[in-house]
Amino acid sequence: KQEVTQIPAALSVPEGENLVLNCSFTDSAIYNLQWFRQDPGKGLTSLLLIQSSQREQTSGRLNASLDKSSGRSTLYIAASQPGDSATYLCAVRGSNYQLIWGAGTKLIIKP
Amino acid sequence: DADVTQTPRNRITKTGKRIMLECSQTKGHDRMYWYRQDPGLGLRLIYYSFDVKDINKGEISDGYSVSRQAQAKFSLSLESAIPNQTALYFCATSDGGTGQLGEQYFGPGTRLTVT
Repeated sequence: KQEVTQIPAALSVPEGENLVLNCSFTDSAIYNLQWFRQDPGKGLTSLLLIQSSQREQTSGRLNASLDKSSGRSTLYIAASQPGDSATYLCAVRGSNYQLIWGAGTKLIIKP
Repeated sequence: DADVTQTPRNRITKTGKRIMLECSQTKGHDRMYWYRQDPGLGLRLIYYSFDVKDINKGEISDGYSVSRQAQAKFSLSLESAIPNQTALYFCATSDGGTGQLGEQYFGPGTRLTVT
């Protein structure tokens, strides 16, 4: 059974720092992996989707990498800003079309 | 206007009551999903539907039922609400992609409290 873990559960850093959020999964047989951002009262926003054949995806200051063999993905945020404060969730899709989710990392960027 | 809407946004109900959560989408997607989120846990899939005539149970379907009234509408019902169904509920949509499984787009969530 696929399990997805995100460590740490919470992270607080000063504005301007580069940071890395981690996501690990137990079964490497995945179709894709998505990173989402969750803001209170606003639902979830998809940030990046990495297909199983890809190694990384980039969008602006965000870069997500995928290493299927080791069961890991990282979300790199460059030059963090207070507006980046949110909970970041990763989810993997397996052969049964279902997304399996991590519990998220709550990120606080201090001005 | 939002592509995926959910009503109500907040609801407090009593144990034993029947309640329906509604979801509508304007993205034209065939696939729709219902999830619940509990504090400290990831989202868990309740039901999903790949088209109007296709309904599938997810990981935690007990105590819930769904109806796909049209391509754009997918409702979730709690026939007899119980306190451990207190959670944040999300509706999502996706297209099937061209051989790939598409991104999911989420509604703003419904916060349900069962007393």
